[in-house]
Amino acid sequence: GAGVSQSPSNKVTEKGKDVELRCDPISGHTALYWYRQRLGQGLEFLIYFQGNSAPDKSGLPSDRFSAERTGESVSTLTIQRTQQEDSAVYLCASSLRGAQALRGEQYFGPGTRLTVT
Amino acid sequence: AQSVAQPEDQVNVAEGNPLTVKCTYSVSGNPYLFWYVQYPNRGLQFLLKYITGDNLVKGSYGFEAEFNKSQTSFHLKKPSALVSDSALYFCAVRDTDYKLSFGAGTTVTVRA
Repeated sequence: GAGVSQSPSNKVTEKGKDVELRCDPISGHTALYWYRQRLGQGLEFLIYFQGNSAPDKSGLPSDRFSAERTGESVSTLTIQRTQQEDSAVYLCASSLRGAQALRGEQYFGPGTRLTVT
Repeated sequence: AQSVAQPEDQVNVAEGNPLTVKCTYSVSGNPYLFWYVQYPNRGLQFLLKYITGDNLVKGSYGFEAEFNKSQTSFHLKKPSALVSDSALYFCAVRDTDYKLSFGAGTTVTVRA
């Protein structure tokens, strides 16, 4: 079966432009996470979606960041007016609700490497 | 908040030698601890977890980890490292019902 997919795999953009990153979770996974991985640093939680519940946006670093998810399918992470400090790998993960999520078994996509010039 | 620390940025070992990647944790209550591995240009893969029970946890690819409550550690180990084990390893702790808090990662290089 297909895993978590993300697109694009690489994105180079100019400072001040908006970018949109896409995540396709594993079919049937109700939970979806976005993380940011800066060079030499661990994963930084950004946002969590669970079914139709209100998302946990507590990790979004500024109001330039937003994310949407339609039902239990595709999610998009949008960064407006990009800054150089936004350069990072953006990882998406999904998991089943409940026990699997509780056990921490998240399935990660390959990431989108964003470079802001 | 729960957190983990990985004190080593890099670990270098020769193929066939034992491999240890260190992780310490700081939690209130009982910890749920995890190890993930990230191979070059690929997403993170779940390796193993400790929830409760035996302190020695066995996972994928021949890895195991030992939970030590007195030392608040959860070190990842492999008795005989392979070149293909060269990757970035992350320790993580469950922070909420669904959120994981990750360490900064340890780059493992296994030389032939």
